[in-house]
Amino acid sequence: QQQVKQSPQSLIVQKGGISIINCAYENTAFDYFPWYQQFPGKGPALLIAIRPDVSEKKEGRFTISFNKSAKQFSLHIMDSQPGDSATYFCAATLVWGSARQLTFGSGTQLTVLP
Amino acid sequence: GAGVSQSPSNKVTEKGKDVELRCDPISGHTALYWYRQSLGQGLEFLIYFQGNSAPDKSGLPSDRFSAERTGGSVSTLTIQRTQQEDSAVYLCASSLDLGTQYFGPGTRLTVL
Repeated sequence: QQQVKQSPQSLIVQKGGISIINCAYENTAFDYFPWYQQFPGKGPALLIAIRPDVSEKKEGRFTISFNKSAKQFSLHIMDSQPGDSATYFCAATLVWGSARQLTFGSGTQLTVLP
Repeated sequence: GAGVSQSPSNKVTEKGKDVELRCDPISGHTALYWYRQSLGQGLEFLIYFQGNSAPDKSGLPSDRFSAERTGGSVSTLTIQRTQQEDSAVYLCASSLDLGTQYFGPGTRLTVL
């Protein structure tokens, strides 16, 4: 059963535009929501993350908005650049034993046109 | 410092053969994870190791999959009697306790 649903599957944005990727989760026990960025041939890399007691977190051009009641969170990329073209995965985690299991969304392939 | 490394980067095998995939985690990281990334799908958790504790294997898709971690460091994921549906990118990640998971570049497995 997919516990984190991500949309859209692909996104094309003009340089300088805003890219928005949405995710929804089901398990209210999730306590940490990271976003990963993956370039072709590379493993995912942590981009930004948020905890459910915060409604928004901003790091440079990247912002996470979190709506706990709706069980939704989104990534906003401001002033999108061609170098941002990559696949983005939202994820949700909970402490599981003595480690964290990441449950990923299905990914969004972002293309930023020059 | 060195990141997570995986070998081989690509592996092509015939249906029914066994394969071994290797992961070298970041030195000092106590937790090691294996994920599978299939075309058009997200990343699927397979197994994790934490310190000297017994691994949690609940994510393994079948008993053809197994993994071990020797000396609390290097890990090997073994797939026996490979099937075409096993074709995917297998990713390894490591973390310090409950911290950020750092991923390796993955091994692309193709089963013909």
